[in-house]
Amino acid sequence: DIQMTQSPSTLSASVGDSVIITCRASQSISSWLAWYQQKPGKAPKLLIHKASTLESGVPSRFSGSGSGTEFTLTISSLQPDDFATYYCQQYDRYWTFGQGTKVEIK
Amino acid sequence: EVQLLESGGALVQPGGSLRLSCAASGFTFTNYAMLWVRQAPGRGLEWVSSIVATSLNTYYADSVKGRFTISRDNSKNTLYLQMNSLRAEDTAIYYCARPVPETGTGKYYFDYWGQGTLVAVSS
Repeated sequence: DIQMTQSPSTLSASVGDSVIITCRASQSISSWLAWYQQKPGKAPKLLIHKASTLESGVPSRFSGSGSGTEFTLTISSLQPDDFATYYCQQYDRYWTFGQGTKVEIK
Repeated sequence: EVQLLESGGALVQPGGSLRLSCAASGFTFTNYAMLWVRQAPGRGLEWVSSIVATSLNTYYADSVKGRFTISRDNSKNTLYLQMNSLRAEDTAIYYCARPVPETGTGKYYFDYWGQGTLVAVSS
């Protein structure tokens, strides 16, 4: 199985900050990586697929990069609506998720 | 508008059974594979099972293989998950989701999710 490891587990930031979340795969997954946002009591929402392709309707302050085993999600100029938990997901072979990164208000 | 609406979650005793449903609307159900993902309380996300559009192929996570059965009724636009021999560790919110392929590949990510239904396994 492909393991996904996110860091940090929790991130404290203020509105307007730029934040970076890292995701590492236990083996190369090319660019088959997605990022999801989840708010309490809600279903995950797709933000990015194929490592860097922004889903329609997602604000441009979200961006993704990486390939192989190292990936990042960057949120530039954090907005109040962005405080949530973020998950990476590999879809190279079946599907596995990272353990999540909670972005909380500092 | 794509909508996925899960139902059937409940409190069940260990060893018991439950059938979850996911009613789909807003898209041509017969054109898509479908799948279930679960999230244990305070935990991350785990793919559980998936089924192709024709029902000819089904896939399961090792943690549920032999106990859960995924199926679909394309005439009713509904996805199912039959859960048998339930264990405490199956306690989770169960989401149905729609996988979509990256163009020209066999790689699928999830573009729509339902709101989930809670399954609690406890005596």
